[in-house]
Amino acid sequence: QVQLQESGPGLVKPSQTLSLTCTVSGGSISSAGYYWSWIRQHPGKGLEWIGYIYYSGRTYYNPSLKSRATISVDMSKNQFSLKLSSVTAADTAVYYCARKSVTTDFDYWGQGTLVTVSS
Amino acid sequence: QSVLTQPPSASGTPGQRVTISCSGSSSNIGSNTVNWYQQLPGTAPKLLIYSNNQRPSGVPDRFSGSKSGTSASLAISGLQSEDEADYYCAAWDDSLNGRRVFGGGTKLTVL
Repeated sequence: QVQLQESGPGLVKPSQTLSLTCTVSGGSISSAGYYWSWIRQHPGKGLEWIGYIYYSGRTYYNPSLKSRATISVDMSKNQFSLKLSSVTAADTAVYYCARKSVTTDFDYWGQGTLVTVSS
Repeated sequence: QSVLTQPPSASGTPGQRVTISCSGSSSNIGSNTVNWYQQLPGTAPKLLIYSNNQRPSGVPDRFSGSKSGTSASLAISGLQSEDEADYYCAAWDDSLNGRRVFGGGTKLTVL
C-alpha cells in the first residue's frame, strides 16, 4: 500500500521560502506512470493544484503561482519536495502531497500539513 | 473564482438520489476527462470517479459520473449518512499552457 507523508515547518515568515518534503513508502518514486504532486487548500476553501513532477523529472506548474514554485525529486530517499518562494499570508493553507497515476488521477494522498505564513 | 463551477451545497435524505453538477468550458471539460473527489471532514480528498465515469477499486457503485459537452455530474444513489462530505470535480484545462483545475466544491448534507 502506497503511503505519502508531508513534513516541514508549520510556520513561515512573510517573504521567506516555504519548504516541504513528501516521503513515499510502499512504492518507488522512480516508477513509470506517476506524477508526484502538490496540492493546497486554503482554510475553508477548495483545492488548488500547485504542480507535479513526472518520474522522468519533467515538471508542470500552476501558472497562477507565477514561477514561485519549484518541485524536485530525491530518488535516493524516495522523496519529493516543494519550495514556494516569496510567501505571503495568502499562501497559508493545508498542503497535500499526492500521487497522480496516468491511468486514473490523484489516487494516493498524504494527510496534509498546515503551513501558516505569519511574522 | 474557480474555473469549474459547482453548486456550493446540496442535500438529501437517506436512501435518496442526489446529483452534483460541474460546469466548465471547451478548454477543460469540453476537451478533457473529469474526475471527482470526496473529502470527509478533516481528511484528505479521496478519488471517487476518474475518466468521467470510472470508479476506482473499492468505491461503491452507488457513485456514478457522467459528462456531456462542457458539463459533468456526479450522482449518488441510496444516500447514506457517511456520504456527508465535500465533493470536488477536477479536469485538465488547456489554457495558460495547461493546468489542473478544480471546482469550488459542493458540501453535501444528509438530512
